[in-house]
Amino acid sequence: KNEVEQSPQNLTAQEGEFITINCSYSVGISALHWLQQHPGGGIVSLFMLSSGKKKHGRLIATINIQEKHSSLHITASHPRDSAVYICAGTGNQFYFGTGTSLTVIP
Amino acid sequence: DVKVTQSSRYLVKRTGEKVFLECVQDMDHENMFWYRQDPGLGLRLIYFSYDVKMKEKGDIPEGYSVSREKKERFSLILESASTNQTSMYLCASRQVGTEAFFGQGTRLTVV
Repeated sequence: KNEVEQSPQNLTAQEGEFITINCSYSVGISALHWLQQHPGGGIVSLFMLSSGKKKHGRLIATINIQEKHSSLHITASHPRDSAVYICAGTGNQFYFGTGTSLTVIP
Repeated sequence: DVKVTQSSRYLVKRTGEKVFLECVQDMDHENMFWYRQDPGLGLRLIYFSYDVKMKEKGDIPEGYSVSREKKERFSLILESASTNQTSMYLCASRQVGTEAFFGQGTRLTVV
């Protein structure tokens, strides 16, 4: 059983669209990371959440602890947002989702 | 502003060679991790370390060993490289309860 389930697997959007990526996780996970990986690049941590909501520029991450669910939103999407977004739950170690490959078309 | 540094971005090694992948962090983190990333399989944990000289096996430790002699450095060792160890290797570090930081990755090709 995968402790972290992420959807959708692939996402294509037009520039300017509002984007949502979802993540569900199981018990034993105390915090959620949202990570970004550009093609051929390393991984960058966008957010770490254990409650509520965080915002950085056009990126917003929310978490609902009761429902064990987190979402990453991108407002006014841009082609440079094209990347793989990975949800990772943390307990003693990381539990990674399978990633969402986002392509934003100009 | 570099926080987690992996020694090589690209590496090509021959089958049977002993390979060292180095990871250094400058944040005094206790926890460090080595992952490999493969298409369709995502990120899989090889080994992690809670502190100096401490190590724990992850999900796929076979064919690998690690060394953590100093807090800032966590080394991944391929004792005898094989072609099925061709992969992207990622190092991460964190203090429990805080944000994680990842290295840029080492793309290892074993020929």
